[in-house]
Amino acid sequence: RKEVEQDPGPFNVPEGATVAFNCTYSNSASQSFFWYRQDCRKEPKLLMSVYSSGNEDGRFTAQLNRASQYISLLIRDSKLSDSATYLCALDTGRRALTFGSGTRLQVQP
Amino acid sequence: EAGVAQSPRYKIIEKRQSVAFWCNPISGHATLYWYQQILGQGPKLLIQFQNNGVVDDSQLPKDRFSAERLKGVDSTLKIQPAKLEDSAVYLCASSPGQGRNYGYTFGSGTRLTVV
Repeated sequence: RKEVEQDPGPFNVPEGATVAFNCTYSNSASQSFFWYRQDCRKEPKLLMSVYSSGNEDGRFTAQLNRASQYISLLIRDSKLSDSATYLCALDTGRRALTFGSGTRLQVQP
Repeated sequence: EAGVAQSPRYKIIEKRQSVAFWCNPISGHATLYWYQQILGQGPKLLIQFQNNGVVDDSQLPKDRFSAERLKGVDSTLKIQPAKLEDSAVYLCASSPGQGRNYGYTFGSGTRLTVV
């Protein structure tokens, strides 16, 4: 099993839709979790941290499920500008973060 | 706050040639990372520095890749000799502390094409 796995997508959704992505991980001792956004031919940018209690930032909600070893990102009221690749990142026993391969989201008018 | 600076933005070289990339992290950030991102994949850690010391270089192909951060600020990553499979974007990132608890700020990357 890979250390970090994401469905590559693409997820094609209409504007205004709600969409959710999951990221599964294999190391039950992982402590730090993040979601990054990466636009085409750009660098990844930190979207939000994922806390045990879950956290929300506007239309974005991130949650952690330790029992099933996955984190999720929910985007409500999708905008065209949300089209991007969403990368999860977490510690897998190394001292640096390990990134997933990303899930591509395409929001359509 | 100035971001992470990287140069060059693009580089095209022939296989077996050498190439070097430069990174200047955010001022005051003690931790610097080099990641390799192959098209369609997530970033993969090559090396992590804490100040001017190496914390993790276990995934660095040391027969051809080298990196240094001599004064605990700027860093260079070198490939010698390059192979076709080294074609990727090389991303430098920095964080204020050890990576597990901090989100990273990435530079805009160097896109390397080996022909």
